Amino acid sequence: DSGVTQTPKHLITATGQRVTLRCSPRSGDLSVYWYQQSLDQGLQFLIQYYNGEERAKGNILERFSAQQFPDLHSELNLSSLELGDSALYFCASRAPDSYEQYFGPGTRLTVT
Amino acid sequence: QKEVEQDPGPLSVPEGAIVSLNCTYSNSAFQYFMWYRQYSRKGPELLMYTYSSGNKEDGRFTAQVDKSSKYISLFIRDSQPSDSATYLCAGSISSGSARQLTFGSGTQLTVLP
Repeated sequence: DSGVTQTPKHLITATGQRVTLRCSPRSGDLSVYWYQQSLDQGLQFLIQYYNGEERAKGNILERFSAQQFPDLHSELNLSSLELGDSALYFCASRAPDSYEQYFGPGTRLTVT
Repeated sequence: QKEVEQDPGPLSVPEGAIVSLNCTYSNSAFQYFMWYRQYSRKGPELLMYTYSSGNKEDGRFTAQVDKSSKYISLFIRDSQPSDSATYLCAGSISSGSARQLTFGSGTQLTVLP
C-alpha cells in the first residue's frame, strides 16, 4: 500500500458526460501528479499540483482540468467524454525535496 | 521518437534466472531514473531510483545507468514467479519543482515456475 488513495475504483459513463476523479496524497506530500494509462499511449503525465498551485502540464486535453484543495487532496475533472478517454487514471504524490513518486491504485474509466 | 524507449516484450524466463530489462532515452536533461513494477490493473509500485550514472543495488534488484550511451537497465537475480509483472522505466529532470516522469512503454515479464 503506497498510502495514496483514489476513488472511485471503477467508473462507467456515456459519451458526452462529465466525471470527477479524486486523489488523496500520502501524509506530508505536497505534490500531486495525474497520469493517464492507455493501451496505445502507455503511461502519460497529465498535470501536477504543488501545495494547491498548478506547477506543470503535460499532454492534458482542454476538456480535462484539475485542482488541489487546501487539505491537499486533488480532483481531476473530465468533461465531454469520448470513447478514447477510456483508460486508467493514476495519481501519484511526492514529498518535498524528493524525487520518488508513489502511485495510487488508479481509477478505471470506461466511456460507452 | 519517444523520449524513453523500452522493448515491450513479452519476456519469459524460468524461475531462478537472471533477468535484464533495458531502456534507452533521448532527453539529455534526464538525471533521475526510476523503475516501477506494475501488476495487472494495479498502480505502479516504485522499485528503485538512481541518480545520474552508476549502479544501485537493493536485494535481488540492481539498477544501472549509463548516461554516456543513454541506457538504463534493471537486473533481477534469482527471479521468482511473483516477479511476473510489467516493468516500467522512467526518466525525470532534476531542476525545478515539477519533476514529472516520462515513462517507457513497459516490458511484460513472466517468470515460469
